[in-house]
Amino acid sequence: GQQVQQSPASLVLQEGENAELQCNFSSTATRLQWFYQHPGGRLVSLFYNPSGTKHTGRLTSTTVTNERRSSLHISSSQTTDSGTYFCAIESTGANTGKLTFGHGTILRVHP
Amino acid sequence: EAGVTQSPRYAVLQEGQAVSFWCDPISGHDTLYWYQQPRDQGPQLLVYFRDEAVIDNSQLPSDRFSAVRPKGTNSTLKIQSAKQGDTATYLCASSLGGNSDYTFGSGTRLLVI
Repeated sequence: GQQVQQSPASLVLQEGENAELQCNFSSTATRLQWFYQHPGGRLVSLFYNPSGTKHTGRLTSTTVTNERRSSLHISSSQTTDSGTYFCAIESTGANTGKLTFGHGTILRVHP
Repeated sequence: EAGVTQSPRYAVLQEGQAVSFWCDPISGHDTLYWYQQPRDQGPQLLVYFRDEAVIDNSQLPSDRFSAVRPKGTNSTLKIQSAKQGDTATYLCASSLGGNSDYTFGSGTRLLVI
C-alpha cells in the first residue's frame, strides 16, 4: 500500500529560526495535505497542496508531484508553532478523501 | 459554523469492557471517517461512510469493532471487549464528497488498562 515517510522525526529550534519539514511518498499522490496537531489537540489542515507551491502567513508548502515529495517551510518560528506536523496523501484519485498519514514531525520551538 | 463534535473526550476501561464513541459531523458533509491514532503515530483509517453506506471498513477489526451511521448524519464507533492495544485517540473527520474540505474533531482518548 501507499507509504508516507516524514523527516526529520523531531526538530528543536530557537524562536526565530526557520524549519524545513519533508514528506516523501511511495506512489503518485492525487491529493496531499499538511496537518498540524497541537499536543492533545485536534488536527488542523494547513494546506491542501497536490502540486506546486502555496503560502499562508509564515508557512510555505511545495509539492513536486513527479518526484513524490512535498516540503513544509516555517519561517521565523514562534513558540506557538510547537506541535506535530503530519503529511497525508490519497493516491487513488477517486476523491474518497481516504488519507494515508506519515508518522509526523514533532517540532519544539524554545523562546 | 459548528465543527466536528466528538464525545466523550476521554474514556478509561478495563480489558474486556465495551465502549462507544459518538461523532456529529459538519452539517451537509456527506462523508464521515473514523481514524485511530496510537500515541506518537499518525492517524490510521478504520472506516468511512458516504451518507449511511460503509464505503471501506477493511481496516476495522470486525471481531470487536463496529461502526454505524444510520441516517447519514451522526455516527457511532463501538468497541466490544476492549484490549490494551486499543489504547489510542479515536478521531472523527468529515468532508464534502471526499474533497479538500476535511475537518477533524478533537478526538476521544481511550486508555485500556
